[in-house]
Amino acid sequence: GAVVSQHPSWVICKSGTSVKIECRSLDFQATTMFWYRQFPKQSLMLMATSNEGSKATYEQGVEKDKFLINHASLTLSTLTVTSAHPEDSSFYICRMTSGRSSYEQYFGPGTRLTVT
Amino acid sequence: QKEVEQNSGPLSVPEGAIASLNCTYSDRGSQSFFWYRQYSGKSPELIMFIYSNGDKEDGRFTAQLNKASQYVSLLIRDSQPSDSATYLCAVGRVNTDKLIFGTGTRLQVFP
Repeated sequence: GAVVSQHPSWVICKSGTSVKIECRSLDFQATTMFWYRQFPKQSLMLMATSNEGSKATYEQGVEKDKFLINHASLTLSTLTVTSAHPEDSSFYICRMTSGRSSYEQYFGPGTRLTVT
Repeated sequence: QKEVEQNSGPLSVPEGAIASLNCTYSDRGSQSFFWYRQYSGKSPELIMFIYSNGDKEDGRFTAQLNKASQYVSLLIRDSQPSDSATYLCAVGRVNTDKLIFGTGTRLQVFP
């Protein structure tokens, strides 16, 4: 399968600061990128969907001005959590798909964000 | 009603037994059904997917789909302690890679 990386794998930041999370594919071209958030013992909640070169589509209840998504290329997407607060502490995971086959979908390893 | 429902468990089975994991979904327009395994602190790994009614087998895993009952299941034969994880069911509509996930069932396989 493809290699997908997320950076950083974990981050601790102070309340009010911004954090950028990168999702990068080393050998796979993703036409669509999904960003999920997972709180402890809960399921993956879809935050937004993005296609390369287009604006992201956000799910209901997700603030687009707080969670900035940039799908700059077929191999890179970033999620920026602006003015982070403790309630934003979560596990953030990206998922890449090619649109060609159900086999061609890959999750990143996730980023654990802790806001103090 | 949640879009995708799973029993949170834990489901405990002895090593070598068959583990049966169940999932129901509410959207009749759903066309694709996925099972993922997630170890604690890690991201999900795709086990298998199914589109058509009936059974689909892949090694020790069998997915079963019944669209009329809006029900999908995953059977794990010869369960191993390494299978202990949370199993997520995910459902998608036609022509989209967007998936809705269930809350997952925690499986414990004891020696």
